[in-house]
Amino acid sequence: DAGVTQSPTHLIKTRGQQVTLRCSPKSGHDTVSWYQQALGQGPQFIFQYYEEEERQRGNFPDRFSGHQFPNYSSELNVNALLLGDSALYLCASSLAPDYGYTFGSGTRLTVV
Amino acid sequence: AQRVTQPEKLLSVFKGAPVELKCNYSYSGSPELFWYVQYSRQRLQLLLRHISRESIKGFTADLNKGETSFHLKKPFAQEEDSAMYYCALRTGAQKLVFGQGTRLTINP
Repeated sequence: DAGVTQSPTHLIKTRGQQVTLRCSPKSGHDTVSWYQQALGQGPQFIFQYYEEEERQRGNFPDRFSGHQFPNYSSELNVNALLLGDSALYLCASSLAPDYGYTFGSGTRLTVV
Repeated sequence: AQRVTQPEKLLSVFKGAPVELKCNYSYSGSPELFWYVQYSRQRLQLLLRHISRESIKGFTADLNKGETSFHLKKPFAQEEDSAMYYCALRTGAQKLVFGQGTRLTINP
């Protein structure tokens, strides 16, 4: 079992561009959550997807959006990138919204 | 508002010495607390959760609702314990609220 897989591992984008990050959950997991981890900070909750719907959302602007597919994989989209969006983006999956999380290795996004 | 505070960004102890990583939380409801660990070049992984009351790798943590704390303890530190440790709070909304983390270094 590969666990949670995220792609790409690293990404460099220009301010104003749009980016899509991808996550494949651990086998058997149907819930996917996304977190942003700025340098020197703990992860911050962006949103959670379950049954292809956004179930919970953290304090992030509408520029951050997501999607969950029927196979439970998920995408995180960020529009109109700002320098402050530079961070490690973590995906976590779980058996259900109330269960413990398994984290991926993250995607390192740099906005220049 | 929910908040997790880890007052020490860095903690350095000698091998064999006791370790305590502090965590305080702010939450008006019934909390569920976790400790996550990230070893060098590895992904974030669950170390322990308060409801299971188990000891993992010699670490324990007791939820003190009166002091709103969930400190992580180990009686004898080992070099392989060097890592980044995050305390996290799960609220009824299922999201995790993380502290800033404590980098633990075990000196030989």
